[in-house]
Amino acid sequence: GAVVSQHPSWVICKSGTSVKIECRSLDFQATTMFWYRQFPKQSLMLMATSNEGSKATYEQGVEKDKFLINHASLTLSTLTVTSAHPEDSSFYICSAVSGEGRTDTQYFGPGTRLTVL
Amino acid sequence: GENVEQHPSTLSVQEGDSAVIKCTYSDSASNYFPWYKQELGKGPQLIIDIRSNVGEKKDQRIAVTLNKTAKHFSLHITETQPEDSAVYFCAASKGSSASKIIFGSGTRLSIRP
Repeated sequence: GAVVSQHPSWVICKSGTSVKIECRSLDFQATTMFWYRQFPKQSLMLMATSNEGSKATYEQGVEKDKFLINHASLTLSTLTVTSAHPEDSSFYICSAVSGEGRTDTQYFGPGTRLTVL
Repeated sequence: GENVEQHPSTLSVQEGDSAVIKCTYSDSASNYFPWYKQELGKGPQLIIDIRSNVGEKKDQRIAVTLNKTAKHFSLHITETQPEDSAVYFCAASKGSSASKIIFGSGTRLSIRP
């Protein structure tokens, strides 16, 4: 149980284009989802907290107009990197928290490797 | 805000030996401490967690200890195997569904055959 998927697993795009990453909780309803980015050999950096049906809460320094987050259902959150540039190249990982049972445990997706040329 | 420090940053142990990773946290309100294992190119996988009402928890070869007074918690892996090689992250949170998890900087564990 508690499986989180991400799509795509990797994407390569040209500078200036937008890229959408999906995060799904497969076997549970996620009241809260989190988006992280991770640079090589570094820890995970929280970008934003996403609650179903409401606006995401962004961490300090994260541009909300550049990283658009939508959490339209209890099983799906999307992160859109708008007008991507090479410095946006990173490993993006989502996590989800169940609305029942262990409500403090974050289950992570497999990550999406974004490369911007 | 919460700050989690993790040591060592790299650890190499002989197969079959034990490995210990230590973390400290700063916010006394934190009450949930998960440990994650991340293999190359993959997302973090929860391997064990402990809550502040417990001092120790064990799951087969993995154990975690928590000292609330000192704000220390540690991961112990016994009888290490090659598949234990990975990056391990400790983390702390205040334990609600919307609580942020604050990660340590990670420990790269290598198991020597």
